[in-house]
Amino acid sequence: DVKVTQSSRYLVKRTGEKVFLECVQDMDHENMFWYRQDPGLGLRLIYFSYDVKMKEKGDIPEGYSVSREKKERFSLILESASTNQTSMYLCASTRWTGTLLKDTQYFGPGTRLTVL
Amino acid sequence: AQTVTQSQPEMSVQEAETVTLSCTYDTSESNYYLFWYKQPPSRQMILVIRQEAYKQQNATENRFSVNFQKAAKSFSLKISDSQLGDTAMYFCAFMKLVGEGGADGLTFGKGTHLIIQP
Repeated sequence: DVKVTQSSRYLVKRTGEKVFLECVQDMDHENMFWYRQDPGLGLRLIYFSYDVKMKEKGDIPEGYSVSREKKERFSLILESASTNQTSMYLCASTRWTGTLLKDTQYFGPGTRLTVL
Repeated sequence: AQTVTQSQPEMSVQEAETVTLSCTYDTSESNYYLFWYKQPPSRQMILVIRQEAYKQQNATENRFSVNFQKAAKSFSLKISDSQLGDTAMYFCAFMKLVGEGGADGLTFGKGTHLIIQP
């Protein structure tokens, strides 16, 4: 069964803290993604990665960075958390071969982050 | 850049009725994928149905079907014989083809909250 896991379901941090959100997939997918979800705004793409050590900015990368040292793991980093980064964070992965989408994006369960 | 618009923030229907959720999108791409995702109260995003833009035939999955109108850039979801378990947020999403580089991210609409009444 397809599996994308995220390290925490709920997280509470203080302003200025460095925050790591971890995502692991067991499907050998090359492509991984981080989204944030806010009421009334839907999901917005923060960063994504085509392969190990590769990263691309999405629509709202400001205030975030990412790390992809292993194929199965994609980390989202908040260097100095701020209250406007309070949100639900969703990780996803997929497989893409040439010009064909081999697999749909599978999502993790999400991490609800609160920054106080 | 692509945009996806869902014009119905909330809908409510009776169990067993048929309901249609609207989605329009704007893109200059000719090849792309469209999706409907469901997010129940558990928050898990679940794929409902997917459509390749190069396919003229509308996708169907059991009680779920789409009406894909490429020229009009419209992609509506029809749920037949609605069930209480269909209560959820529904998101329409767009993905463009990016060639050898890999999968691009999804562009989502803001969602439609569908409530199935007993």
